[in-house]
Amino acid sequence: GAGVSQSPSNKVTEKGKDVELRCDPISGHTALYWYRQSLGQGLEFLIYFQGNSAPDKSGLPSDRFSAERTGGSVSTLTIQRTQQEDSAVYLCASSQEVRWNEKLFFGSGTQLSVL
Amino acid sequence: GENVEQHPSTLSVQEGDSAVIKCTYSDSASNYFPWYKQELGKGPQLIIDIRSNVGEKKDQRIAVTLNKTAKHFSLHITETQPEDSAVYFCAAVDNDMRFGAGTRLTVKP
Repeated sequence: GAGVSQSPSNKVTEKGKDVELRCDPISGHTALYWYRQSLGQGLEFLIYFQGNSAPDKSGLPSDRFSAERTGGSVSTLTIQRTQQEDSAVYLCASSQEVRWNEKLFFGSGTQLSVL
Repeated sequence: GENVEQHPSTLSVQEGDSAVIKCTYSDSASNYFPWYKQELGKGPQLIIDIRSNVGEKKDQRIAVTLNKTAKHFSLHITETQPEDSAVYFCAAVDNDMRFGAGTRLTVKP
């Protein structure tokens, strides 16, 4: 596709359930980023991938959060045993390489609501 | 790590007026300062950026200024239009990209 694609666009789940959020970056982009946007808050950095490798996972809020990327393309962010405080918009972005001083292309996000 | 503060959190202006959003950062090593615009239901999009070797950059109705000594940078939008209404995020980059909390700009027709 022409841009970064995220699915689902909306997800409503019950507390304690696991959820998977998917990101399909722009073709050829080796760098992929996950951010979280809570209501009225800024963009909280979670994790980035260079190819399939995530050098720094320290931004993940807890051990209930994990992310993987396969084939240097699609990435999945998994949240286990969801809590109400996990409710937020999860944004994915990609860029040609991991050079922070270049343009990030964002998807439209997944709105996660934990009841 | 880097800490970016952004003000104001909300801004309402009349169409045709100017709007200014200010950000400060803490890490003197930061060398790249992008601004992103997020429209309702969409992801943020880069609208302008500035690097540390430049004090000002302009692109039509938008401009960004950088004061490295004071560690602050600002976004200026002139002749605002209703379609400028959105949430604007500043960011500062050193070893990663840290965003401000955002400014919700409303342009009243």
